[in-house]
Amino acid sequence: EAGVAQSPRYKIIEKRQSVAFWCNPISGHATLYWYQQILGQGPKLLIQFQNNGVVDDSQLPKDRFSAERLKGVDSTLKIQPAKLEDSAVYLCASSSWEGRKLQETQYFGPGTRLLVL
Amino acid sequence: RKEVEQDPGPFNVPEGATVAFNCTYSNSASQSFFWYRQDCRKEPKLLMSVYSSGNEDGRFTAQLNRASQYISLLIRDSKLSDSATYLCVGGSNYQLIWGAGTKLIIKP
Repeated sequence: EAGVAQSPRYKIIEKRQSVAFWCNPISGHATLYWYQQILGQGPKLLIQFQNNGVVDDSQLPKDRFSAERLKGVDSTLKIQPAKLEDSAVYLCASSSWEGRKLQETQYFGPGTRLLVL
Repeated sequence: RKEVEQDPGPFNVPEGATVAFNCTYSNSASQSFFWYRQDCRKEPKLLMSVYSSGNEDGRFTAQLNRASQYISLLIRDSKLSDSATYLCVGGSNYQLIWGAGTKLIIKP
């Protein structure tokens, strides 16, 4: 079974530029998460999708970050404009449903390492 | 106060030793707990779920103490390959909060 795919793996941009990350979850996983992980910290949830609907985006800085999952499969996360403090690893994860129960085990992609100069 | 707190370490442990670390959580309503392992520059991977009665998987044992609001991870007969950061995760209603992780270094 293929895992969670993310691209690009690395990105270097200057502050005030825009950047977009892509994620393709495990086939059949209805729930998709975007996390930001700053060096030395745990993952911080940015947004959670259930199919193409947003379940939780309470920690997403909506003035500069946006995310979409239009067809309920792959997803993009965008930052516009980027700030120095956005330098982090952006992790995408997915999880499945078993009947009516969300399986809380999350499977992560390799992440996109962003450096903002 | 952070919702999920861990000692960042590092824990430097000789190979073959037993090591244990705890994770405290502030939300008493939390129902689901996990330990994830994260290798350097890699993504987190599920190590084990933590059940109320405690559970064991080979050399790894996880315990939950609801009265004191902490979970623990015990690693017996540690291997060099156990060197990693161990992330504690807790929450409820599908809202999981991640700790910052405990770094473990196993020395030969």
